[in-house]
Amino acid sequence: EAGVTQSPRYAVLQEGQAVSFWCDPISGHDTLYWYQQPRDQGPQLLVYFRDEAVIDNSQLPSDRFSAVRPKGTNSTLKIQSAKQGDTATYLCASRHRASQNTLYFGAGTRLSVL
Amino acid sequence: GDSVTQTEGLVTLTKGLPVMLNCTYQTTYSPFLFWYVQHLNEAPKLLLKSSTDNKRTEHQGFYATLHKSSSSFHLQKSSVQLSDSALYFCALSVLNYNQGKLIFGQGTKLSIKP
Repeated sequence: EAGVTQSPRYAVLQEGQAVSFWCDPISGHDTLYWYQQPRDQGPQLLVYFRDEAVIDNSQLPSDRFSAVRPKGTNSTLKIQSAKQGDTATYLCASRHRASQNTLYFGAGTRLSVL
Repeated sequence: GDSVTQTEGLVTLTKGLPVMLNCTYQTTYSPFLFWYVQHLNEAPKLLLKSSTDNKRTEHQGFYATLHKSSSSFHLQKSSVQLSDSALYFCALSVLNYNQGKLIFGQGTKLSIKP
């Protein structure tokens, strides 16, 4: 079974530039999560979807961040105008409704904003 | 609100010694606790999970027991190996609402020396 796939693996930007991250969850997983993980810290939830619906985006900085999952499968997280404080690894995870809350993570996209 | 606390940021040990990584949590709902391990530049992977009070759960030589009376889920291993060097995250999911929303602690970096 293929795992959660994310791309790109790395991104380096200047402040003010835009970037998109892409996630392909495990087939059949209805719930998809985006986490932000600053260096040597725990992942912090940004947003999560069940199928195509946003369930919780309360921690997503809505003025610059957006996330979509239009067909309930792949998802894209976009930062419109990056800031140095956005430097972190962005992790995507997915879960099957019958999995007892077990999340499966992708390897992440490591973002550096200069 | 719901939270997870890991008190040690860095634990350095010599190979062959025992280890215990602390995890306490706070929630008013029924808890489901997890330990995830993250090796350098890799995705977090599930190590252990439990929602059963006072029952030891084991995997790959690591073990933990959920104690609801003390709100704890400490991770232990009797003899650490060089390959155990990684980031370890304790995480909490509550079962009565927001099912599947995982709240992470700050993480403990475990460094094993020869």
